[in-house]
Amino acid sequence: DAGVIQSPRHEVTEMGQEVTLRCKPISGHNSLFWYRQTMMRGLELLIYFNNNVPIDDSGMPEDRFSAKMPNASFSTLKIQPSEPRDSAVYFCASSRDAGTGELFFGEGSRLTVL
Amino acid sequence: KNEVEQSPQNLTAQEGEFITINCSYSVGISALHWLQQHPGGGIVSLFMLSSGKKKHGRLIATINIQEKHSSLHITASHPRDSAVYICAVSRNGAQKLVFGQGTRLTINP
Repeated sequence: DAGVIQSPRHEVTEMGQEVTLRCKPISGHNSLFWYRQTMMRGLELLIYFNNNVPIDDSGMPEDRFSAKMPNASFSTLKIQPSEPRDSAVYFCASSRDAGTGELFFGEGSRLTVL
Repeated sequence: KNEVEQSPQNLTAQEGEFITINCSYSVGISALHWLQQHPGGGIVSLFMLSSGKKKHGRLIATINIQEKHSSLHITASHPRDSAVYICAVSRNGAQKLVFGQGTRLTINP
């Protein structure tokens, strides 16, 4: 298996632009997580899905952030409009079981908002 | 106080030394994870454990549920072990991880 696949790996955009990050989880995994990592706050969970259904989005910073999982093999995290404080590395991870399953992370998407 | 505390925050050692990184948590958990992140790199899951001890190559992870404490050991450390090691726990009844602040390990040749 190719592992968790994220795109783009790097994105540089200007404030106010829409950003869409993509994730393909490992086949057979039923839980998908979006994390954000910054120097100041470390790793933070933004949202996670179980069987394509959003379970907990309490980590989503504000309405500018939205996430979807239209099917078991694809998820998007969208920021609209983007702001400089959104600059971070965004990781997607998947597992067979959200509570007790081993987590597999993607390589991350490094976002810079100018 | 954070629910997950790691120590030390930074650790520098010479190649070949035995390394121990500690993780203490204050909540009931269903599982504890040890993650590794190389500079500028992705995150790799090293261990997931809920009791006892696990070993993979030169890495050993232990957990004491009663004391709410886990340790990650590296035997015969090597410069390629230089990375940030992150402890994370799945709280009982919850599915999201709570992360420690990470331990930055540097192994000098």
